Amino acid sequence: SQTIHQWPATLVQPVGSPLSLECTVEGTSNPNLYWYRQAAGRGLQLLFYSVGIGQISSEVPQNLSASRPQDRQFILSSKKLLLSDSGFYLCAWGTTETQYFGPGTRLLVL
Amino acid sequence: SQKIEQNSEALNIQEGKTATLTCNYTNYSPAYLQWYRQDPGRGPVFLLLIRENEKEKRKERLKVTFDTTLKQSLFHITASQPADSATYLCALDISTSGTYKYIFGTGTRLKVLA
Repeated sequence: SQTIHQWPATLVQPVGSPLSLECTVEGTSNPNLYWYRQAAGRGLQLLFYSVGIGQISSEVPQNLSASRPQDRQFILSSKKLLLSDSGFYLCAWGTTETQYFGPGTRLLVL
Repeated sequence: SQKIEQNSEALNIQEGKTATLTCNYTNYSPAYLQWYRQDPGRGPVFLLLIRENEKEKRKERLKVTFDTTLKQSLFHITASQPADSATYLCALDISTSGTYKYIFGTGTRLKVLA
């Protein structure tokens, strides 16, 4: 069965510091991969999606970037964090009919 | 742009009753709609999918309806239990050109009282 891993689970970072969140998927090949952010009281906002290695589409202009160096690895990065980057970050892989989410990373930028 | 709305107010119901959650959308004609459950601090978990040509879908105590004319989906939990307490999200398929993409509602928090 498919498994999706995210780390770290929680992260507290100062404003202006860099960020790297990692997501890996097991049990499937060539998955569509997604990064979402969920702010308090708000819905899931799609940040990036990828249909293959090195192929990244950005949904919302922002302070973040994504990379897919391997088939089942998806990385979310920032060079300088802003206060507004705080939130719950979720990685997911998707089929035509559903999405499977990882456990998420809670990021607090102070 | 696509817009999807769920009742942002929490829904409190008594154990054993039927919970009904609403999802309304505008400016799109999705091929299908999904419902997810999200527990605090966890990622959403897929529950049900209903296609545009389906009026109703059932899975155990769950029932979803899809009215493409009203642009609305209803999500029902019958014989509700305290363990059903969670936030429920609906999501629309907005895929284009073979890329699978979805837009999510803000979710409705359900609390089932014992």
